Amino acid sequence: GDSVTQMEGPVTLSEEAFLTINCTYTATGYPSLFWYVQYPGEGLQLLLKATKADDKGSNKGFEATYRKETTSFHLEKGSVQVSDSAVYFCALSDSGYSTLTFGKGTMLLVSP
Amino acid sequence: DADVTQTPRNRITKTGKRIMLECSQTKGHDRMYWYRQDPGLGLRLIYYSFDVKDINKGEISDGYSVSRQAQAKFSLSLESAIPNQTALYFCATSDFLRGGNEQFFGPGTRLTVL
Repeated sequence: GDSVTQMEGPVTLSEEAFLTINCTYTATGYPSLFWYVQYPGEGLQLLLKATKADDKGSNKGFEATYRKETTSFHLEKGSVQVSDSAVYFCALSDSGYSTLTFGKGTMLLVSP
Repeated sequence: DADVTQTPRNRITKTGKRIMLECSQTKGHDRMYWYRQDPGLGLRLIYYSFDVKDINKGEISDGYSVSRQAQAKFSLSLESAIPNQTALYFCATSDFLRGGNEQFFGPGTRLTVL
């Protein structure tokens, strides 16, 4: 079945550092890929998405590129802020759009 | 007002009790989902519903049941709660009929079973 593997956390960075959170997936067909963010005490919010190979999703300075050849969708940000501290989830939706499969989440902690 | 609401937000109960968690949405979406979140395990799908008459089991449906009372309402029940059902529960919706494949989440219900 489908699966998503993302790097374990916590990832601890200083403000203005470069961020990469790795995500790889296993799926049949042509899934859509997502990054969701969960701030403390809140539900998940969609951060960005990509629906086909080589698409780049971007939002709030975060980017991720759908790489079919490496089955990856790594999240990057050039300069993190304290307010980016949250848990980040990589997820995929099968080609039938029926359900989402989530990774286990990566906690990001940004210090001033 | 929030588009996806969950009640209650927090609940403490005892082993063996019946519990119902409720989810309502004002987004007009056709699909609704229930997940549980456990530390280190991410989100796991319990049940999902494509419309009022179409309900499907997810990865971890044992010990849970659901009811889709209307397009806007989707309830999750624990018939006889046990301590390992202590978790954070999320409801989500998606707009498949209008081509959407992302899901929109409620704020969560923190359930503790003693």
